[in-house]
Amino acid sequence: GAGVSQTPSNKVTEKGKYVELRCDPISGHTALYWYRQSLGQGPEFLIYFQGTGAADDSGLPNDRFFAVRPEGSVSTLKIQRTERGDSAVYLCASSLTGAYTDTQYFGPGTRLTVL
Amino acid sequence: DAKTTQPNSMESNEEEPVHLPCNHSTISGTDYIHWYRQLPSQGPEYVIHGLTSNVNNRMASLAIAEDRKSSTLILHRATLRDAAVYYCILRDGLEETSGSRLTFGEGTQLTVNP
Repeated sequence: GAGVSQTPSNKVTEKGKYVELRCDPISGHTALYWYRQSLGQGPEFLIYFQGTGAADDSGLPNDRFFAVRPEGSVSTLKIQRTERGDSAVYLCASSLTGAYTDTQYFGPGTRLTVL
Repeated sequence: DAKTTQPNSMESNEEEPVHLPCNHSTISGTDYIHWYRQLPSQGPEYVIHGLTSNVNNRMASLAIAEDRKSSTLILHRATLRDAAVYYCILRDGLEETSGSRLTFGEGTQLTVNP
């Protein structure tokens, strides 16, 4: 079946601009996660959705970052007033229930470059 | 979150076994040990997980020390496609939300020589 998809695959923007990154999880998965990966580092957790609600947003670095999942399926990560330090690969993952033994399935990521 | 320690890099030859170690000396009794790997330019993918007993699946085996302070991921016959960064991750079975997320370290970069 279809895996997790993310669009766009690459996004180049200028400092100060607003960007939206989209994630389509595996159909039927109630849990959705966003991670950010800087070059040479492991992915860093940002936010976890259970259904439509954010169950854990403790990883969002500041209030410029916001994510939504209005219908419990597709999610959008929104970054306002982008800074050069926001440049990274943004990864989305989904899992069936969010349980600690659940496998997380990752998308290919969106590479964000802020000039 | 309990911390894991892995070597930065390891090298292997194709078709030979590979043993990837992970130390987690502060592991709690409810922490599950998970392994994910990340191939170049891809998102991470699940490899295996366990709690106390050794585990086998089609991809790998997981050997867990009796005191659970360390574990080893075993690839029985490495192929070129196994070249990736391997992450050892602890997930807390008691924490409903924080146990759900994955806390990645820097992992071990595995190089497989033909």
